[in-house]
Amino acid sequence: EVQLVESGGGLVQPGGSLRLSCAASGFTFSSYWMHWVRQAPGKGLVWVSRINSDGSSTSYADSVKGRFTISRDNAKNTLYLQMNSLRAEDTAVYYCARAEQYCTNGVCYTRLGFDYWGQGTLVTVSS
Amino acid sequence: SYELTQPPSVSVSPGQTARITCSGDALPKQYAYWYQQKPGQAPVLVIYKDSERPSGIPERFSGSSSGTTVTLTISGVQAEDEADYYCQSADSSGTYEVFGGGTKLTVL
Repeated sequence: EVQLVESGGGLVQPGGSLRLSCAASGFTFSSYWMHWVRQAPGKGLVWVSRINSDGSSTSYADSVKGRFTISRDNAKNTLYLQMNSLRAEDTAVYYCARAEQYCTNGVCYTRLGFDYWGQGTLVTVSS
Repeated sequence: SYELTQPPSVSVSPGQTARITCSGDALPKQYAYWYQQKPGQAPVLVIYKDSERPSGIPERFSGSSSGTTVTLTISGVQAEDEADYYCQSADSSGTYEVFGGGTKLTVL
């Protein structure tokens, strides 16, 4: 059974840092690209970041570029999101999700979409 | 930055057909995906590659594409279909993913 379990959320002051983890099981983690998606209270889904299967390529939403870093440890089947310089507007439930993706001729595509999601971890940025 | 546009809300009576649209300039170049999210739960993929249905998703869910607009259709809507629905795609290079703003489906 595919499982994605996020952890590391909590209350942090503005300007602070937090590292989220997403533990994967039930599938070959190293074969999938992984994503972080967040959802502020009462708001919609917002894509945050993605990392390719071997960790050599990453991408970020403009709102987090330069503050957040996505990484993965394929030996530990774990995805991470290091969040620095946190702001009140970063308050959200953070989900990790997997995707089977590939690139050809410089363009990347998704085969099946985000087919499995974790249950999310809440990050609250407040003084 | 690239955006996908959805109507904020759609309302239908049980047994009717609900249609939720999603518009974006890169949709002719990148597939769209649809997710259902119920309160307090993680999103669930209901349509991939514009019109394919994952296993376990009821046949009443279908998707279509025409130019810069994709459409999620729910035929014979049931009370359990009441949820928020999000389209998702990528910019033309596939570098950045994006979600639409979401559509709240109300079953009257």
